[in-house]
Amino acid sequence: AQTVTQSQPEMSVQEAETVTLSCTYDTSESDYYLFWYKQPPSRQMILVIRQEAYKQQNATENRFSVNFQKAAKSFSLKISDSQLGDAAMYFCAYEAGNMLTFGGGTRLMVKP
Amino acid sequence: EADIYQTPRYLVIGTGKKITLECSQTMGHDKMYWYQQDPGMELHLIHYSYGVNSTEKGDLSSESTVSRIRTEHFPLTLESARPSHTSQYLCASSRPGLNTGELFFGEGSRLTVL
Repeated sequence: AQTVTQSQPEMSVQEAETVTLSCTYDTSESDYYLFWYKQPPSRQMILVIRQEAYKQQNATENRFSVNFQKAAKSFSLKISDSQLGDAAMYFCAYEAGNMLTFGGGTRLMVKP
Repeated sequence: EADIYQTPRYLVIGTGKKITLECSQTMGHDKMYWYQQDPGMELHLIHYSYGVNSTEKGDLSSESTVSRIRTEHFPLTLESARPSHTSQYLCASSRPGLNTGELFFGEGSRLTVL
């Protein structure tokens, strides 16, 4: 069974600074997808960024980028120029065969 | 914002009551899911459906049941609620096709059983 581990229950960042959230996963598959989802307080969870395992290039979406290390089974999320609206729970997720497995989440706090 | 809706958003009920959490999406998605999430904790898949008349149990055992009579509707029912059912329930859907990955979530139904 696949597992997804987020070792940082909470992280804090100063507004305008950069923060990196960690995620590791365990799988025997070679073809899969990885995701970061954001869950703001009392609001819908939304997709932040997606990475296909067969692509070596790290995905980027505006201020959000990932560091995908396939051999190490590591998938970290970097948020640049942090904004107050980035405060949320962030979930790393793994998908193979149409089923998503989520990590335990990291609560990100942004200090003004 | 995604076109997936859950009602009620908040519900407080007594032990032994029957409740149904509603979930509807207007995107024509075949796949729908129910996740259970305790506050600030990870999501656990409890039910999913790949289309009309298709329902499967997820990774986390749940006493709830689901039905999928229409593509757009995926209600979750608890026949006799207990305090252990207190949690947030998130409904989600995804587009047809393999490995599209993106789930569209509702805002959640927060259930408290006294």
